[in-house]
Amino acid sequence: KAGVTQTPRYLIKTRGQQVTLSCSPISGHRSVSWYQQTPGQGLQFLFEYFSETQRNKGNFPGRFSGRQFSNSRSEMNVSTLELGDSALYLCASSQFGPGANVLTFGAGSRLTVL
Amino acid sequence: GIQVEQSPPDLILQEGANSTLRCNFSDSVNNLQWFHQNPWGQLINLFYIPSGTKQNGRLSATTVATERYSLLYISSSQTTDSGVYFCAVGQGAQKLVFGQGTRLTINP
Repeated sequence: KAGVTQTPRYLIKTRGQQVTLSCSPISGHRSVSWYQQTPGQGLQFLFEYFSETQRNKGNFPGRFSGRQFSNSRSEMNVSTLELGDSALYLCASSQFGPGANVLTFGAGSRLTVL
Repeated sequence: GIQVEQSPPDLILQEGANSTLRCNFSDSVNNLQWFHQNPWGQLINLFYIPSGTKQNGRLSATTVATERYSLLYISSSQTTDSGVYFCAVGQGAQKLVFGQGTRLTINP
């Protein structure tokens, strides 16, 4: 079955703009998590959604937001982009019940802010 | 919060060598996973191993939860094993905390 799909794979924005990233989980997976990877901070948890509800949130400013739709697809949005938001944004999904702890990651969306 | 420390940060080996990567964590966890990040950035899940020992081909992993560490063994290294290896820990699947990674370079 198809893996976790993230779009777009690459994008370039300028400071002050906003961006929306999309993540389609593995079919049947209901939990979606988002992580940010930068050279300086490494991999950091952004937030996690299950059944359209945010269950957990990391230590990021309110400019970072997300949502999940009824088909489990998720989007994250970053408003008023800053240079420091340049990063690889990774989405992961996990199934409900047995195996719920195992994350499967997508290929990521690489954001460059100029 | 939980602290995760991986060692060594960098490892350079010749093809065919064996290696051991270590992950120490500061608190009890019920989720521990090892990932390999390929040159294109994708994280590939190697093991889900909150405790015990697992093997998958040339790779194996052991987690001693009571002593808060995990080891990843790679035997007979190949150039395709190059990349960054991450250990991630947490409670459940939510909010995994990642280590800084071990960058492995396998030279032919």
